[in-house]
Amino acid sequence: GQQLNQSPQSMFIQEGEDVSMNCTSSSIFNTWLWYKQDPGEGPVLLIALYKAGELTSNGRLTAQFGITRKDSFLNISASIPSDVGIYFCAGPFNAGGTSYGKLTFGQGTILTVHP
Amino acid sequence: EPEVTQTPSHQVTQMGQEVILRCVPISNHLYFYWYRQILGQKVEFLVSFYNNEISEKSEIFDDQFSVERPDGSNFTLKIRSTKLEDSAMYFCATLAGVTDEQFFGPGTRLTVL
Repeated sequence: GQQLNQSPQSMFIQEGEDVSMNCTSSSIFNTWLWYKQDPGEGPVLLIALYKAGELTSNGRLTAQFGITRKDSFLNISASIPSDVGIYFCAGPFNAGGTSYGKLTFGQGTILTVHP
Repeated sequence: EPEVTQTPSHQVTQMGQEVILRCVPISNHLYFYWYRQILGQKVEFLVSFYNNEISEKSEIFDDQFSVERPDGSNFTLKIRSTKLEDSAMYFCATLAGVTDEQFFGPGTRLTVL
């Protein structure tokens, strides 16, 4: 099945630093989604990307859809303590040309921000 | 802002017992999903549901699992005879059918003793 490889697995940074994490796949995705999960909570959608090469921002977050459609990165600028959590990339797998298929998730990047 | 809700937030059950997890999707959404997340692991797909029938299911979703939308609002996941390895967070997700953006509920933590 499709797999998403996410790196790094974890990051420990100081408040105010910028963060970058990425996600790669052996398969082409038509959509990339980035989610954040706080402990004991459900994933919250941060950014959705739909076009190869697309660069999208949401406040201090910026994400890009790779030109090959097999990778994406997420940047967080000027990190703050509430950025702590697990960040997941995800892509829909549309089997047999069906729309709105299941999401395949990466393993997640655990972000710790020291004040 | 509309959101997906799930009940209960935490369910503790004995092995072999039946459990029903409930989800209320965002009101105009048409596609519904269940995922699970074992502690410390990634989110895994269980089943998708559209137009009152299962669209796709994973290997995890065996005969012990079933889903239904009994009343046009709730979307339920039933596990008939729970096993220890069913202990996990179970997330409902819904999608409007315009984009691929799935919105997740807060989850139900299932603990099987």
